[in-house]
Amino acid sequence: DIQMTQSPSSLSASVGDRVTITCRASQSINRYLNWYQQKPGKAPKVLIHAASSLQSGVPSRFSGSGSGTDFTLTISSLQPEDFATYYCQQSYNTPITFGQGTRLESK
Amino acid sequence: QVQLQESGPGLVKPSQTLSLTCTVSGASVNSGDYYWTWIRQPPGKGLEWIGHIHYSDNFDYNPSLKSRLTILKDTSKNQFSLKLTSVTAADSAVYYCATSYSSWFDPWGQGTLVTVSS
Repeated sequence: DIQMTQSPSSLSASVGDRVTITCRASQSINRYLNWYQQKPGKAPKVLIHAASSLQSGVPSRFSGSGSGTDFTLTISSLQPEDFATYYCQQSYNTPITFGQGTRLESK
Repeated sequence: QVQLQESGPGLVKPSQTLSLTCTVSGASVNSGDYYWTWIRQPPGKGLEWIGHIHYSDNFDYNPSLKSRLTILKDTSKNQFSLKLTSVTAADSAVYYCATSYSSWFDPWGQGTLVTVSS
């Protein structure tokens, strides 16, 4: 199985901050990497697919980069509605695996 | 657009079988290049891919669950289902159905909490 490791596991930030979350795969996954946002009691919502493609309807303050084993999700200017948990997910092969999550909290 | 809704018992006894159904609207489970997927999330924990079934009836399961798992399609009802046998407390989770047309999951159902307890 491909292991996905996110860092940090939790993060405190303020509205307006630039935030970066990292995801590392245990082997190369090319660009088969997706990012999700999950709010309490809700299903995850895809933000970024194929490492850097912004899902339709997602604000442009979200961006993704990387290839191979190292990927980042960046929020350019944090908004109040962005406090949530973020997950990366590899779709390079099965079993499909997720990172353990990064909880983004208000400072 | 495609919408998904999970249904099934919220409480299952240990050693019994967990059965859930996902009702699909806005697409057919028997056409298109969709992977009809189950994902679960134990309370307070991360996401685990359970498995999927393709419109062509090809399927793939998480090896950690493979011996206990069956995912099927019911084209007459436009549904797909999950059966997990011999459940334990470790199978307690919110179970989501989702679909994947490319390589990402979108949309998801709202999720249903299943508790394994006597």
